[in-house]
Amino acid sequence: SQQGEEDPQALSIQEGENATMNCSYKTSINNLQWYRQNSGRGLVHLILIRSNEREKHSGRLRVTLDTSKKSSSLLITASRAADTASYFCATVKGAQKLVFGQGTRLTINP
Amino acid sequence: EAGVAQSPRYKIIEKRQSVAFWCNPISGHATLYWYQQILGQGPKLLIQFQNNGVVDDSQLPKDRFSAERLKGVDSTLKIQPAKLEDSAVYLCASSSTRQGAIAEAFFGQGTRLTVV
Repeated sequence: SQQGEEDPQALSIQEGENATMNCSYKTSINNLQWYRQNSGRGLVHLILIRSNEREKHSGRLRVTLDTSKKSSSLLITASRAADTASYFCATVKGAQKLVFGQGTRLTINP
Repeated sequence: EAGVAQSPRYKIIEKRQSVAFWCNPISGHATLYWYQQILGQGPKLLIQFQNNGVVDDSQLPKDRFSAERLKGVDSTLKIQPAKLEDSAVYLCASSSTRQGAIAEAFFGQGTRLTVV
């Protein structure tokens, strides 16, 4: 079963705009992770945020976590064509399993 | 640091045949995962190893799928017999732990299986 659910399923924006993707989950977690997958490739880790953290930054990426709402968001600022990919959230909970959501397909239009 | 190695990259088999996939994780990573990813969907966890013990295999179709991780390093995933719905990309990943929880996972390039 999938733990995280991303929203929206697909997002298309113009280059230079900001992209926001959301992830909701059902049970308590140890940490939440965001990954990117380019077409036909493996997944690449972007950011890990622990349950006691509320916000993390990495370059143009900003991740927030609201454990009371069981949700997280990934913000990509000043998007580039190279950001076109699918983005997945994954949760780690008590059993130490890493469970992925269905992903958001992001398209950056030049 | 060498990444996660998987082979083969592509495989085409007929239904009812058998197939095996191989994975070599990053050195020192105790946790190894096998995921199945159907086109347009997120990765589905098939089995997770901690060293050479199984942490979770609740979504592994055990009547046809099997996996092992000998000596807590390399792993193989086998399907026998294959069905058409097994067509997917099979991803292997590994991770270490940090502060008592699983850290970031590193993925191989995957094996694209087509069952005809």
